[in-house]
Amino acid sequence: QVQLLESGPGLVRPSQTLSLSCSVSAGSISNDGYYWTWIRQFPGKGLEWIGYIYYGGSTYYNPSLKSRASMSLDTSKNHFSLELKSVTAADTGIYYCAREHPLTSFDYWGQGTVVTVSS
Amino acid sequence: QSVLTQPPSASGAPGQRVTISCSGSSSNIGSNTVTWYQLVPGTAPKLLVSSNNERPSGVPDRFSASKSGTSASLAISGLQSEDEADYYCASWQDSLNSIWVFGGGTKLTVL
Repeated sequence: QVQLLESGPGLVRPSQTLSLSCSVSAGSISNDGYYWTWIRQFPGKGLEWIGYIYYGGSTYYNPSLKSRASMSLDTSKNHFSLELKSVTAADTGIYYCAREHPLTSFDYWGQGTVVTVSS
Repeated sequence: QSVLTQPPSASGAPGQRVTISCSGSSSNIGSNTVTWYQLVPGTAPKLLVSSNNERPSGVPDRFSASKSGTSASLAISGLQSEDEADYYCASWQDSLNSIWVFGGGTKLTVL
């Protein structure tokens, strides 16, 4: 079955850019039936959808992030990435990548990577 | 503050049936599929069931879901100790800037 694995630095300084990658196995990100998504969980346990990228490179982000988010994909390595600019302590949390059935469900998730924004 | 409203906690004894509610609006639950997820710390979140009661392969039929108007619910029957986890509902929200929205999560304790 499809597996996703997040990777990235656990600690990011305030005002810097957070960069995360999600490696996908047993499934191609070039499959045009799915969106590839990032979701985060805050320390208070609430979940927030960050956005998705489609195999053709089209993206859609949560407007609450005020254009700080950017996603890309690398079909040769079968992975996709998230960059979040100008981070603050409010961006601290667990970041998950997931596969989305468009507008319906998230059927596979990574185990999450903890990100702490602190000086 | 989460867009969808869930009770913060629920509990039940092994073998019992528990339900978890999720309340929203006409722009999210009222017009879109609701899905339920199980989160256990340190593991990948798991899709359990959707509001049309479709379950992925491997999810036992002890987990069922329903929706009525702008509310949805998850029912877990034959409660087992391994069901102790956090449960979240989610729905696409149609608006000027459509987004996915989530409930605040319900911590299920198996007594």
